[in-house]
Amino acid sequence: KAGVTQTPRYLIKTRGQQVTLSCSPISGHRSVSWYQQTPGQGLQFLFEYFSETQRNKGNFPGRFSGRQFSNSRSEMNVSTLELGDSALYLCASSLGSRLVYEQYFGPGTRLTVT
Amino acid sequence: DAKTTQPNSMESNEEEPVHLPCNHSTISGTDYIHWYRQLPSQGPEYVIHGLTSNVNNRMASLAIAEDRKSSTLILHRATLRDAAVYYCILRDVGGTSYGKLTFGQGTILTVHP
Repeated sequence: KAGVTQTPRYLIKTRGQQVTLSCSPISGHRSVSWYQQTPGQGLQFLFEYFSETQRNKGNFPGRFSGRQFSNSRSEMNVSTLELGDSALYLCASSLGSRLVYEQYFGPGTRLTVT
Repeated sequence: DAKTTQPNSMESNEEEPVHLPCNHSTISGTDYIHWYRQLPSQGPEYVIHGLTSNVNNRMASLAIAEDRKSSTLILHRATLRDAAVYYCILRDVGGTSYGKLTFGQGTILTVHP
């Protein structure tokens, strides 16, 4: 079974621009979660989508948004990029049950804002 | 979310067992204990989870204290590939956390040849 894929793997953007990152979950998984990883803050939860609906949201400004499509693929968008948005963005997929199903992470997209 | 406390770093020799501790004194009855690890330049990887009883899988064992205020991840024979950051995470299945995992700083495990 193919794992979680994220595109692009690396991205360089300029302050003020916007960016869209894509995540394809494991086949059959209906939940996609997004995380930001930085050396200073570690891994922080951004949001989770399940069946095209945002089900959970972390403490990030409104510049960070996402969506999920009917095939469970998800995109996250960051508008008006700031230098502090430079990070590794990880998505994870799971079956999405309230119970204990583990999450499977992709390799991440490394975003550099200059 | 209930908080976990882990040592910042641990070291081990190859082929020896490793016991990674985690304290979670404020754990609630509906909190499951999850362990993930992150190898260098990769996304986190699920290792194991449990509620009350000890658990074993092909990767590791999870020993949970009787009062559930602490747990230990056991790698039976460490290999160089096990060098990673190990995260102990509590997930409340009785709440609305669903796909949200709250990561702490984790334990950096170094394995010496």
